[in-house]
Amino acid sequence: AQTVTQSQPEMSVQEAETVTLSCTYDTSESDYYLFWYKQPPSRQMILVIRQEAYKQQNATENRFSVNFQKAAKSFSLKISDSQLGDAAMYFCAYRTGTASKLTFGTGTRLQVTL
Amino acid sequence: GAGVSQTPSNKVTEKGKYVELRCDPISGHTALYWYRQSLGQGPEFLIYFQGTGAADDSGLPNDRFFAVRPEGSVSTLKIQRTERGDSAVYLCASSRTSGRTGELFFGEGSRLTVL
Repeated sequence: AQTVTQSQPEMSVQEAETVTLSCTYDTSESDYYLFWYKQPPSRQMILVIRQEAYKQQNATENRFSVNFQKAAKSFSLKISDSQLGDAAMYFCAYRTGTASKLTFGTGTRLQVTL
Repeated sequence: GAGVSQTPSNKVTEKGKYVELRCDPISGHTALYWYRQSLGQGPEFLIYFQGTGAADDSGLPNDRFFAVRPEGSVSTLKIQRTERGDSAVYLCASSRTSGRTGELFFGEGSRLTVL
């Protein structure tokens, strides 16, 4: 069974600084997708960034980028120039290439301080 | 609608009662998912619909849980004989296709509290 592990229950970053959230996963599949979702207090999960396992290049979306280490099964999220609006729960998620359901980690709560 | 709509936003019920949670997906989205998020945890998959049929219901915890999507749009998650352990936020998501390549759009969830 696939598992997703987020070992940092909470992280804190100062506004305008950079923070990295960690995620590891376990799978025997070769075709899969990885995601980072943001969940603010409104409870709505919002897609931040997506990475296809077959792509060697790390995905980037504006201030958000990932460090995808396929051999190590590691998928960390880097947030640059942190803003107060980035404060939320962040979930790492995995999906195989053939299935549609997502497997989520337990989340990391990110605080952004002035 | 503009986004995925879930009702009710909050539901408090007594142990043993029957509960229905509704999800109205984005218009035109054929795929619909239900997830359950317990306190301090990530969402856990319950069931996935492609059109009117349940393509994967492997996440339903037991036969007290049932979901329908009779016309391929609105879906209802039904929980019979509720137990305190059913207390959680129930999230619905939809996507334009199967979701494998398409983005999932989530609603704000229905928080269920079983007393």
